[in-house]
Amino acid sequence: AQSVTQLGSHVSVSEGALVLLRCNYSSSVPPYLFWYVQYPNQGLQLLLKYTSAATLVKGINGFEAEFKKSETSFHLTKPSAHMSDAAEYFCAVSDASIGGTSYGKLTFGQGTILTVHP
Amino acid sequence: NAGVTQTPKFRILKIGQSMTLQCAQDMNHNYMYWYRQDPGMGLKLIYYSVGAGITDKGEVPNGYNVSRSTTEDFPLRLELAAPSQTSVYFCAAGTLYEQYFGPGTRLTVT
Repeated sequence: AQSVTQLGSHVSVSEGALVLLRCNYSSSVPPYLFWYVQYPNQGLQLLLKYTSAATLVKGINGFEAEFKKSETSFHLTKPSAHMSDAAEYFCAVSDASIGGTSYGKLTFGQGTILTVHP
Repeated sequence: NAGVTQTPKFRILKIGQSMTLQCAQDMNHNYMYWYRQDPGMGLKLIYYSVGAGITDKGEVPNGYNVSRSTTEDFPLRLELAAPSQTSVYFCAAGTLYEQYFGPGTRLTVT
């Protein structure tokens, strides 16, 4: 079974500071990993994804994440926080894998709410 | 191109009532999903479909039913609403490598 753990349900940073949101996964096969962002009262928007190509993945809005197999991690970072980054962020792992039967089913972490202070 | 649309946006149900949450996509994707979101719990998969006429249970299917008669539509049915079904419901459509989410339906059962 796959699982995702997001460390820290709330993260608070100052505008211009580094953003680091932590995600660790468990998967019996090489994983496909995703970060989604949810703004208040909206659906989820894909920030970035790892599907076995480059381990450093760049996404929208200046975010990036690095896949580290040895640490089973996929942490999300942004060098300089902006007020508009305030939202809830979800890490997810897919049942999709190389060479296997899969249906794209996502298992989500519990979410991290990012607050950005002026 | 609207992507994934969901209706209604909000609904209040009494215990024991039934309703259908509608989901439609205009992207011609084979894969569609229903998730529920509860505070602090992330999203959990209720049902999914890999094409018209093919559906299967996800992690939390009890109390729900689905059908998929066309590529475009994937309705979720609640037969006997219970307070435990108070949640925000999201429909998604996509491929194995990317899912596009609708805006959600906020359901309250009292």
